[in-house]
Amino acid sequence: EIVLTQSPATLSLSPGERATLSCRASQSVSAYLAWYQHRPGQAPRLLIYDASNRATGIPGRFSGSGSGTDFTLTISSLEPEDFAVYYCQQRSNWPPTFGQGTRLEIK
Amino acid sequence: QVQLVQSGAEVKKPGASVKVSCKSSGYTFANYHIHWLRQAPGQGLEWMGMINPSGGATADAQNFQGRLTMTRDTSTSTVYMELSSLKSEDTAVYYCARGFYSGSSTPFDYWGQGTLVTVSS
Repeated sequence: EIVLTQSPATLSLSPGERATLSCRASQSVSAYLAWYQHRPGQAPRLLIYDASNRATGIPGRFSGSGSGTDFTLTISSLEPEDFAVYYCQQRSNWPPTFGQGTRLEIK
Repeated sequence: QVQLVQSGAEVKKPGASVKVSCKSSGYTFANYHIHWLRQAPGQGLEWMGMINPSGGATADAQNFQGRLTMTRDTSTSTVYMELSSLKSEDTAVYYCARGFYSGSSTPFDYWGQGTLVTVSS
């Protein structure tokens, strides 16, 4: 199965700053990569699908890029509600797999 | 609005079975596969399997070795996940999620709130 490696494990930033999260696949997943936000005690929320498409209702400050094995989630200007754990997920190969997550914390 | 509402937390002994429900609303139940995923303490998300509410066909990850059963009740728009022969390693939060695309090759656009299953003697 495809292994997704996310970096960094923890990212400490302040509101208003730009966040850049990385996801690297063990083999090419084409553009079949999604990003999720997971706040404590809540259901995960789909942010980006197929590498760069924002899901319904997702603010424009969230953007995704990449293809093949290297992907990036960018949050252009952090809001207080953005501090959470972020996961990437590939759907290129069965079974679908997830990265271990990046915790975005307030500095 | 689309909602997936799961049943409450469970505590089970090793060797027992657990059955978690996931009730859908706000969309046409038959049109979207429902997937089951879990997250063990300190671990990442793991895809377990899926069910097609239209017809009931299922597919699951091979590492459950026949312990996983998924069913649906179209009259109540509810899907069920039953995991048998529980082990301590099955302690996790279990999620149902709707597939954005048909089949297993999909992101998951709506999720249930999660059900904590604790396996302990």
